[in-house]
Amino acid sequence: QKEVEQDPGPLSVPEGAIVSLNCTYSNSAFQYFMWYRQYSRKGPELLMYTYSSGNKEDGRFTAQVDKSSKYISLFIRDSQPSDSATYLCAIQGGGTSYGKLTFGQGTILTVHP
Amino acid sequence: SAVISQKPSRDICQRGTSLTIQCQVDSQVTMMFWYRQQPGQSLTLIATANQGSEATYESGFVIDKFPISRPNLTFSTLTVSNMSPEDSSIYLCSVIRDLSYEQYFGPGTRLTVT
Repeated sequence: QKEVEQDPGPLSVPEGAIVSLNCTYSNSAFQYFMWYRQYSRKGPELLMYTYSSGNKEDGRFTAQVDKSSKYISLFIRDSQPSDSATYLCAIQGGGTSYGKLTFGQGTILTVHP
Repeated sequence: SAVISQKPSRDICQRGTSLTIQCQVDSQVTMMFWYRQQPGQSLTLIATANQGSEATYESGFVIDKFPISRPNLTFSTLTVSNMSPEDSSIYLCSVIRDLSYEQYFGPGTRLTVT
Protein backbone atom coordinates (compact mmCIF):
# COMPACT_ATOMS: atom_id res chain seq x y z
CA GLN A 1 0.00 0.00 0.00
CA LYS A 2 1.34 3.40 -0.95
CA GLU A 3 1.69 5.92 1.83
CA VAL A 4 -0.37 8.46 -0.09
CA GLU A 5 -3.07 7.47 -2.55
CA GLN A 6 -4.59 9.89 -5.05
CA ASP A 7 -6.99 9.18 -7.87
CA PRO A 8 -5.02 10.01 -11.03
CA GLY A 9 -8.15 10.85 -13.00
CA PRO A 10 -8.18 12.32 -15.55
CA LEU A 11 -10.98 14.58 -14.44
CA SER A 12 -12.84 16.71 -16.98
CA VAL A 13 -15.39 19.32 -15.90
CA PRO A 14 -17.21 22.26 -17.49
CA GLU A 15 -16.24 25.80 -16.60
CA GLY A 16 -17.95 26.95 -13.40
CA ALA A 17 -18.17 23.49 -11.86
CA ILE A 18 -17.08 22.62 -8.34
CA VAL A 19 -14.10 20.28 -8.40
CA SER A 20 -13.27 17.86 -5.61
CA LEU A 21 -9.80 16.33 -5.42
CA ASN A 22 -8.97 13.77 -2.79
CA CYS A 23 -6.12 11.87 -1.17
CA THR A 24 -5.88 9.25 1.52
CA TYR A 25 -2.82 8.44 3.57
CA SER A 26 -1.82 5.58 5.79
CA ASN A 27 0.72 6.98 8.26
CA SER A 28 -0.85 8.72 11.23
CA ALA A 29 2.50 10.44 11.90
CA PHE A 30 1.86 12.71 8.95
CA GLN A 31 1.12 16.15 10.28
CA TYR A 32 1.30 18.67 7.45
CA PHE A 33 -0.75 18.64 4.30
CA MET A 34 -0.15 20.53 1.07
CA TRP A 35 -1.71 20.91 -2.31
CA TYR A 36 0.38 21.77 -5.35
CA ARG A 37 -0.65 22.69 -8.87
CA GLN A 38 1.63 21.72 -11.71
CA TYR A 39 1.20 23.05 -15.21
CA SER A 40 2.71 21.13 -18.08
CA ARG A 41 6.51 21.47 -18.19
CA LYS A 42 6.58 23.60 -15.03
CA GLY A 43 7.57 22.99 -11.42
CA PRO A 44 4.86 22.41 -8.79
CA GLU A 45 3.32 25.57 -7.37
CA LEU A 46 2.23 25.58 -3.72
CA LEU A 47 -1.49 26.30 -3.51
CA MET A 48 -2.33 25.66 0.12
CA TYR A 49 -1.04 23.99 3.21
CA THR A 50 -2.56 23.14 6.57
CA TYR A 51 -1.74 21.11 9.63
CA SER A 52 -5.00 20.70 11.48
CA SER A 53 -8.25 18.94 10.84
CA GLY A 54 -10.94 21.16 9.39
CA ASN A 55 -11.22 23.56 6.50
CA LYS A 56 -8.93 26.27 5.22
CA GLU A 57 -10.16 28.64 2.54
CA ASP A 58 -8.23 30.81 0.10
CA GLY A 59 -10.28 32.46 -2.59
CA ARG A 60 -11.85 29.77 -4.77
CA PHE A 61 -9.84 27.03 -3.07
CA THR A 62 -10.74 25.14 0.11
CA ALA A 63 -8.46 22.54 1.68
CA GLN A 64 -10.08 20.05 4.01
CA VAL A 65 -8.33 17.64 6.36
CA ASP A 66 -9.85 14.80 8.35
CA LYS A 67 -7.08 13.25 10.41
CA SER A 68 -9.36 10.66 11.98
CA SER A 69 -10.11 9.24 8.52
CA LYS A 70 -6.66 10.07 7.08
CA TYR A 71 -8.38 11.87 4.25
CA ILE A 72 -7.63 15.22 2.64
CA SER A 73 -9.48 17.14 -0.04
CA LEU A 74 -9.14 20.20 -2.21
CA PHE A 75 -12.25 21.91 -3.51
CA ILE A 76 -12.16 24.37 -6.37
CA ARG A 77 -15.21 26.57 -6.77
CA ASP A 78 -16.21 28.26 -10.02
CA SER A 79 -13.52 26.36 -11.90
CA GLN A 80 -11.84 28.12 -14.82
CA PRO A 81 -10.01 26.81 -17.89
CA SER A 82 -6.84 28.27 -16.32
CA ASP A 83 -7.27 25.73 -13.50
CA SER A 84 -6.47 22.94 -15.97
CA ALA A 85 -3.35 21.32 -14.55
CA THR A 86 -2.15 18.38 -12.50
CA TYR A 87 -2.97 18.67 -8.80
CA LEU A 88 -0.69 16.96 -6.32
CA CYS A 89 -1.32 16.33 -2.67
CA ALA A 90 1.79 16.21 -0.53
CA ILE A 91 2.16 15.23 3.08
CA GLN A 92 4.98 15.40 5.57
CA GLY A 93 5.64 14.37 9.12
CA GLY A 94 7.32 16.34 11.85
CA GLY A 95 10.59 15.83 13.70
CA THR A 96 13.20 14.04 11.59
CA SER A 97 10.76 13.99 8.66
CA TYR A 98 10.61 17.77 8.58
CA GLY A 99 10.56 18.95 4.98
CA LYS A 100 10.38 15.48 3.45
CA LEU A 101 7.29 15.48 1.27
CA THR A 102 5.49 12.33 0.20
CA PHE A 103 3.41 13.01 -2.88
CA GLY A 104 0.28 11.45 -4.27
CA GLN A 105 0.24 10.37 -7.90
CA GLY A 106 -1.41 13.60 -9.02
CA THR A 107 -4.85 14.20 -10.57
CA ILE A 108 -5.01 15.60 -14.09
CA LEU A 109 -7.80 18.19 -14.27
CA THR A 110 -9.21 19.71 -17.44
CA VAL A 111 -11.76 22.52 -17.24
CA HIS A 112 -13.38 23.06 -20.60
CA PRO A 113 -15.13 26.28 -21.61
CA SER B 1 7.69 32.49 -1.59
CA ALA B 2 11.10 32.12 -3.21
CA VAL B 3 12.51 32.70 -6.67
CA ILE B 4 14.33 29.53 -7.70
CA SER B 5 16.23 28.97 -10.92
CA GLN B 6 17.72 25.77 -12.29
CA LYS B 7 20.32 25.23 -14.95
CA PRO B 8 20.15 23.66 -17.42
CA SER B 9 16.42 23.67 -18.06
CA ARG B 10 16.80 20.59 -20.23
CA ASP B 11 19.50 18.39 -21.66
CA ILE B 12 19.97 15.31 -23.77
CA CYS B 13 22.90 13.19 -22.63
CA GLN B 14 24.57 10.00 -23.71
CA ARG B 15 24.62 6.85 -21.68
CA GLY B 16 27.59 6.65 -19.30
CA THR B 17 28.14 10.39 -18.97
CA SER B 18 27.36 12.68 -16.02
CA LEU B 19 25.36 15.88 -15.75
CA THR B 20 25.47 18.50 -13.01
CA ILE B 21 22.31 20.47 -12.32
CA GLN B 22 22.47 23.79 -10.53
CA CYS B 23 19.85 25.31 -8.24
CA GLN B 24 20.05 28.98 -7.27
CA VAL B 25 17.71 30.76 -4.85
CA ASP B 26 17.22 34.53 -4.65
CA SER B 27 17.81 34.64 -0.90
CA GLN B 28 19.02 32.47 1.95
CA VAL B 29 16.90 29.46 2.79
CA THR B 30 16.92 27.01 5.66
CA MET B 31 16.62 23.79 3.72
CA MET B 32 17.11 22.59 0.16
CA PHE B 33 15.95 19.32 -1.34
CA TRP B 34 16.25 17.43 -4.61
CA TYR B 35 13.35 15.47 -6.10
CA ARG B 36 12.92 13.31 -9.17
CA GLN B 37 9.80 13.10 -11.30
CA GLN B 38 9.90 10.18 -13.70
CA PRO B 39 7.76 10.28 -16.84
CA GLY B 40 4.08 10.17 -15.93
CA GLN B 41 4.91 9.76 -12.25
CA SER B 42 4.76 11.89 -9.17
CA LEU B 43 7.69 13.37 -7.28
CA THR B 44 10.10 11.31 -5.20
CA LEU B 45 12.56 12.80 -2.74
CA ILE B 46 16.18 12.02 -3.58
CA ALA B 47 17.98 13.78 -0.76
CA THR B 48 18.23 16.73 1.58
CA ALA B 49 21.11 19.03 0.65
CA ASN B 50 22.88 20.04 3.86
CA GLN B 51 24.91 23.23 3.90
CA GLY B 52 28.57 22.48 4.51
CA SER B 53 28.13 18.74 5.04
CA GLU B 54 27.16 15.57 3.23
CA ALA B 55 23.63 15.28 1.88
CA THR B 56 21.09 12.99 3.52
CA TYR B 57 19.82 10.43 1.01
CA GLU B 58 16.47 8.65 0.94
CA SER B 59 16.13 4.93 0.57
CA GLY B 60 17.04 3.83 -2.94
CA PHE B 61 19.35 6.77 -3.66
CA VAL B 62 23.11 6.75 -3.08
CA ILE B 63 25.83 9.36 -3.06
CA ASP B 64 27.91 7.67 -5.77
CA LYS B 65 25.03 7.98 -8.21
CA PHE B 66 23.67 11.36 -7.10
CA PRO B 67 26.42 13.43 -5.48
CA ILE B 68 25.08 16.68 -4.06
CA SER B 69 26.81 19.83 -2.94
CA ARG B 70 25.51 22.81 -1.02
CA PRO B 71 28.35 25.27 -0.44
CA ASN B 72 26.15 28.07 0.92
CA LEU B 73 22.56 28.97 1.85
CA THR B 74 21.44 29.90 -1.67
CA PHE B 75 23.02 27.34 -4.00
CA SER B 76 23.12 23.58 -4.52
CA THR B 77 24.10 21.14 -7.24
CA LEU B 78 22.95 17.64 -8.06
CA THR B 79 25.05 15.42 -10.30
CA VAL B 80 23.53 12.44 -12.08
CA SER B 81 26.47 10.09 -12.62
CA ASN B 82 27.07 7.33 -15.12
CA MET B 83 23.68 7.90 -16.65
CA SER B 84 21.42 5.27 -18.17
CA PRO B 85 18.10 5.72 -19.98
CA GLU B 86 16.34 4.93 -16.68
CA ASP B 87 17.66 8.25 -15.35
CA SER B 88 15.53 10.15 -17.86
CA SER B 89 13.38 12.28 -15.58
CA ILE B 90 12.67 15.78 -14.42
CA TYR B 91 14.91 16.78 -11.54
CA LEU B 92 13.61 19.51 -9.24
CA CYS B 93 15.11 21.38 -6.36
CA SER B 94 12.94 22.76 -3.60
CA VAL B 95 13.49 25.03 -0.64
CA ILE B 96 12.07 25.89 2.73
CA ARG B 97 12.64 29.39 4.00
CA ASP B 98 13.07 30.00 7.72
CA LEU B 99 11.39 27.25 9.72
CA SER B 100 8.04 27.21 7.97
CA TYR B 101 6.44 24.24 6.28
CA GLU B 102 5.98 26.00 2.98
CA GLN B 103 8.13 24.30 0.39
CA TYR B 104 8.71 25.88 -2.99
CA PHE B 105 9.95 24.21 -6.14
CA GLY B 106 12.17 25.26 -8.97
CA PRO B 107 11.11 24.90 -12.60
CA GLY B 108 12.89 21.58 -13.01
CA THR B 109 15.56 20.17 -15.30
CA ARG B 110 14.27 17.81 -17.96
CA LEU B 111 16.89 15.15 -18.61
CA THR B 112 16.80 12.66 -21.46
CA VAL B 113 19.43 9.94 -21.61
CA THR B 114 19.97 8.18 -24.94
